[in-house]
Parts: sequence; structure tokens; C-alpha cells
Amino acid sequence: DTAVSQTPKYLVTQMGNDKSIKCEQNLGHDTMYWYKQDSKKFLKIMFSYNNKELIINETVPNRFSPKSPDKAHLNLHINSLELGDSAVYFCASSQGPTSGTYNEQFFGPGTRLTVL
Amino acid sequence: AQSVTQPDIHITVSEGASLELRCNYSYGATPYLFWYVQSPGQGLQLLLKYFSGDTLVQGIKGFEAEFKRSQSSFNLRKPSVHWSDAAEYFCAVAMYSSASKIIFGSGTRLSIRP
Repeated sequence: DTAVSQTPKYLVTQMGNDKSIKCEQNLGHDTMYWYKQDSKKFLKIMFSYNNKELIINETVPNRFSPKSPDKAHLNLHINSLELGDSAVYFCASSQGPTSGTYNEQFFGPGTRLTVL
Repeated sequence: AQSVTQPDIHITVSEGASLELRCNYSYGATPYLFWYVQSPGQGLQLLLKYFSGDTLVQGIKGFEAEFKRSQSSFNLRKPSVHWSDAAEYFCAVAMYSSASKIIFGSGTRLSIRP
């Protein structure tokens, strides 16, 4: 009965490869997020989708492409992986409007990506 | 631009001792303020949040935080820590106009001395 799940938990790959990370939430939320946590634990938002529509898109290289097939899923595809992409990627979800009110974000366990 | 500063990278306290983790923010108005905890290998869990009203907020696991507008601070406290409190703690802010976009501090790692 995991609330926010991510697969895989660990991902080790070579530079230049293309990889995807999947996220699913069973909380009935309509907003989902991707965050990147670097080796110094610095956590930064990358993208946010509300009802399958992109609403937050930070200055992320266009090698990163989020895809939301439905409200319960938000996948992250990364093309031409680089060494600097090594990090822990967290998915999160929340319910409701995105301005004027805050709805708690629930985080997944993270995917540790290592690019060799 | 809004920012969050956690001046302590790593703190060690003895089990049973009191704890205070510092957080300062930079923003033109009062933002939403949060404390999250990340246990090793886990995602983040919300400990507590402040939007308005009483400046002393209570959270889960016996934590509390106090908002001080004059100091732009939102420090986290616990009167008596337990070994299970060892984790990474993140202070965060969000703007009223974009409440879902959370800006995190750099984190404070808490170690507990037996």
C-alpha cells in the first residue's frame, strides 16, 4: 500500500545512454513533481505536473523530459546521460491547486542514479 | 529571489539532550515555511509547517518550530532527542503565489551520541 513509489530504486548506467525512471502514486492526487538531490544533499525541484499539464519547469536541460500518461503517473526520461546527472531523484505528489494554498507533498523513496 | 539558509551542516547531540536546528530565509513577504526530515535511504517526510497565526507550531515526533519575523528565522526544536531522530533535516519555503514550488535549504545532518 505504498503511497508514492518509484522504480528502479538504483540505476547504474554509462554516459550517453538513455534511461527512464517511473513514479506512481495511489493517493488520488492530481499534482506530481520531480526533484533532484545532488551529492551535497541539495534538493531542487525540476518539474511539476497538474492534471497531466506541465506547470513548473525549472532550468533543466532539455535532455530531461517528463511524461505524465495519467494523473497517477509521472515518468522522467533522460537522454544522453552525463556524469553530472548522477544524483538521487525524488518523485512527490500533492492534491489541489498550486497557488494560494499549500497541500502537503508526499515523497517517494528516491531513485539513485549513477552515471559512469 | 527567495532563499533558505541552514548554517549548520552537521550537529551531534547526546541522546536525551535538547536540540535546536537553525533556519533563516530571505523573502519579501512571509512565505510558507516547512521542516522536512529525511531518514537514511528514505524520502522526505513533513515534520511541520507554518502559514500564519500562532508563531509556535507543533509537529510530529515531538518537534516544534518558532517563526520569528524580525529575525527571518524558523528554528526547529525538540526538548529531548532520541537515537531514532538521527537524520537529515531540511528547512524549506514556498511563495503564496506558487505554493507548490518549494525551495529547500541545504540540510543539517543530525547525529545522536549514545
